Amino acid sequence: ILNVEQSPQSLHVQEGDSTNFTCSFPSSNFYALHWYRWETAKSPEALFVMTLNGDEKKKGRISATLNTKEGYSYLYIKGSQPEDSATYLCAFPDKLIFGTGTRLQVFP
Amino acid sequence: DAGVIQSPRHEVTEMGQEVTLRCKPISGHDYLFWYRQTMMRGLELLIYFNNNVPIDDSGMPEDRFSAKMPNASFSTLKIQPSEPRDSAVYFCASAPGTGGGQFFGPGTRLTVL
Repeated sequence: ILNVEQSPQSLHVQEGDSTNFTCSFPSSNFYALHWYRWETAKSPEALFVMTLNGDEKKKGRISATLNTKEGYSYLYIKGSQPEDSATYLCAFPDKLIFGTGTRLQVFP
Repeated sequence: DAGVIQSPRHEVTEMGQEVTLRCKPISGHDYLFWYRQTMMRGLELLIYFNNNVPIDDSGMPEDRFSAKMPNASFSTLKIQPSEPRDSAVYFCASAPGTGGGQFFGPGTRLTVL
């Protein structure tokens, strides 16, 4: 079973703060990692597909990096807004495993 | 495209009853996934299909659960008989391949009394 950890479990920040959280995984046999954003009462939405060590992806104020050698991916949100409040999940498509997520709450 | 369609959106049933959840994937997507989301266990993969063929059903909790995909545009997840511990949100997702992201349906919230 792939041991995937996301930290922190939850995060509360003020509007305008920048924040980041982590998805950790075993570095061997890496294939790809996906980041999803999951708002309450909605379905998960794909954010990024990351495949290569050193990958950096960006979508608006959200960006992600990947380090397959050390087994982690960071998700950054610059200037958090209340609408960024959601749970952010990392997932491994080849093993079809999702992390437990980081629940972000941005207060105005 | 309308995205992944699931029905019903909400289902309340009594213990022992049969429940059937339905999913219509995005046209042209070769992969279809069924997930269950609970507070305790998060998002869990139940089963997935590739070109209508079940590939991995190791996540199906027990024999009470079954899934079918009779054609490329329709899949069902059936629970018979249902139990209160089956109460959860069940998501269906589809994907064009394994490399890109999955597209999730709105989910079915199941409550078994």
